[in-house]
Amino acid sequence: DADVTQTPRNRITKTGKRIMLECSQTKGHDRMYWYRQDPGLGLRLIYYSFDVKDINKGEISDGYSVSRQAQAKFSLSLESAIPNQTALYFCATSAASLEGGVLQETQYFGPGTRLLVL
Amino acid sequence: DQQVKQNSPSLSVQEGRISILNCDYTNSMFDYFLWYKKYPAEGPTFLISISSIKDKNEDGRFTVFLNKSAKHLSLHIVPSQPGDSAVYFCAASANDYKLSFGAGTTVTVRA
Repeated sequence: DADVTQTPRNRITKTGKRIMLECSQTKGHDRMYWYRQDPGLGLRLIYYSFDVKDINKGEISDGYSVSRQAQAKFSLSLESAIPNQTALYFCATSAASLEGGVLQETQYFGPGTRLLVL
Repeated sequence: DQQVKQNSPSLSVQEGRISILNCDYTNSMFDYFLWYKKYPAEGPTFLISISSIKDKNEDGRFTVFLNKSAKHLSLHIVPSQPGDSAVYFCAASANDYKLSFGAGTTVTVRA
């Protein structure tokens, strides 16, 4: 079974609709992230959470909200979807270690949700 | 403003030859660098990393080189295999928990 799962894998919705993307992990990590991928732009951070009570905005949080229901679950919501939110969305969890004074953070990604907003 | 840049959107290489992927960064505070590999319809998977206290890290066919003075890193794949055909992302962090990603390089390994 996959360590990081996302549902749905594909979604088509209309402008103005509210939708939720869900992420679950079995890795036992405290830190979770939501990214979007657009062609030519790589992955951009939307929101991140260091634990259930700690939610932080990333570089492109406008138009999105999140909920950390439990250590293992982190949901992303589009309150009123618009066409430029059409993208590939990835959830990730992370583990970190400190070696030689350098914080080494490795993130593990889910399979992604392909969202199309018409 | 992208702090991590992969200036080659694509790379085509013959099977058995070396693939060299390049990545440049602008933030001098970055001290940990990673390469991820992504197949279509899958999420990125961690490939190899290097911290700023090293200039080379090797794992099997994959070697990452870091040149801090030039703010440049590269990934070498030797020998290239058909299963290496994928999108490769360079990422960096600055002693925190956030990663900055490049736009990716699509590698195609020709038989």
